Amino acid sequence: EAGVAQSPRYKIIEKRQSVAFWCNPISGHATLYWYQQILGQGPKLLIQFQNNGVVDDSQLPKDRFSAERLKGVDSTLKIQPAKLEDSAVYLCASSLEADEAFFGQGTRLTVV
Amino acid sequence: TQLLEQSPQFLSIQEGENLTVYCNSSSVFSSLQWYRQEPGEGPVLLVTVVTGGEVKKLKRLTFQFGDARKDSSLHITAAQPGDTGLYLCAGSSPRDTGRRALTFGSGTRLQVQP
Repeated sequence: EAGVAQSPRYKIIEKRQSVAFWCNPISGHATLYWYQQILGQGPKLLIQFQNNGVVDDSQLPKDRFSAERLKGVDSTLKIQPAKLEDSAVYLCASSLEADEAFFGQGTRLTVV
Repeated sequence: TQLLEQSPQFLSIQEGENLTVYCNSSSVFSSLQWYRQEPGEGPVLLVTVVTGGEVKKLKRLTFQFGDARKDSSLHITAAQPGDTGLYLCAGSSPRDTGRRALTFGSGTRLQVQP
């Protein structure tokens, strides 16, 4: 069974630029999450989708972050404009049951 | 806001030693998961505990869920260098709270020296 796919693996951008990350979840997983993991910390939920609907985006900085999950499968997370403090690993995860999440390898973003 | 506190934050031990990592919260969770994360990779699920007082074993790893479902521990027997990594606990909210996503602790970074 293929795992969660994310791209790109690494991205370096200048502050105020925009960036987008892509995620393809495990086939059949209705729930998709985007987490932000800052160095030395645990993952923090940004947004949770159930199929193509948003379940929880309470911690998503909506002035600069946006996410969509068209057709209830793939998802993209966008940051526009990026700030230095957005430097982190962005993890996508998917699950069948809400209790267990399977993660991709993540995208390491560096904002300079 | 539900918080999970893990201790210790860092642990460096010699191969063959035993260790215990703790995950504590003031909130009740419907289930709790333990993940291990290696550098450059996403977290990998090790175990899920659901019932208060539950104990699960995975080879040299023993996981326990507190009776009140607010805390958990991970015990590793005879640690090996391959156990090195970031150990994360994550709790799943009770379903009647309407919030389903996992809340993660800050992690325990374990280094096992050969």
